[in-house]
Amino acid sequence: QKEVEQDPGPLSVPEGAIVSLNCTYSNSAFQYFMWYRQYSRKGPELLMYTYSSGNKEDGRFTAQVDKSSKYISLFIRDSQPSDSATYLCAMSLGGYQKVTFGTGTKLQVIP
Amino acid sequence: GAVVSQHPSRVICKSGTSVKIECRSLDFQATTMFWYRQFPKQSLMLMATSNEGSKATYEQGVEKDKFLINHASLTLSTLTVTSAHPEDSSFYICSARNRLAANEQFFGPGTRLTVL
Repeated sequence: QKEVEQDPGPLSVPEGAIVSLNCTYSNSAFQYFMWYRQYSRKGPELLMYTYSSGNKEDGRFTAQVDKSSKYISLFIRDSQPSDSATYLCAMSLGGYQKVTFGTGTKLQVIP
Repeated sequence: GAVVSQHPSRVICKSGTSVKIECRSLDFQATTMFWYRQFPKQSLMLMATSNEGSKATYEQGVEKDKFLINHASLTLSTLTVTSAHPEDSSFYICSARNRLAANEQFFGPGTRLTVL
């Protein structure tokens, strides 16, 4: 079993839709949770990070962490074609620990 | 946001040659930098952790004599692929951890290596 599981997609949605991206994990010791966006042939870009359980909102993006279920989500409201990319979840045990990545979900927002 | 650069962005070389890739944090100090490989449609695979002024820590299965890492300053780490072979062809990405905000890890744009 992989430490972090993420549906690879692809996920296609119409412009303006609400997108839900999810990851599950097996290590209950993970404390920091991140979401990265990666455009084709580019390096990942940090979108959001959260500590422990709870929600965090930044513009059209909302990150949720449910440690009891070992489940994290990223919601994108009013999706735009420019949101088309691969989204990687990532997590770590602590600030100075290595980061474990999911395989990424490819999202396509259709105009 | 913090900026991490990588050079070169793309390199094509002959089998048996060595290739050096630079990773720089442009507007922050990074005591720790990471080197990843990414194969098509796969996630990032951590190769090694590079700490300024000390030897790199390699992940299991990564040959330290083949992938030489040097972290000479708080803003520069280099990865040298020695005696490259076609199977080393991949997308190499570095990331840097902000010394003042350890939870934030910023990635470079990646280097596409093709070994003929």
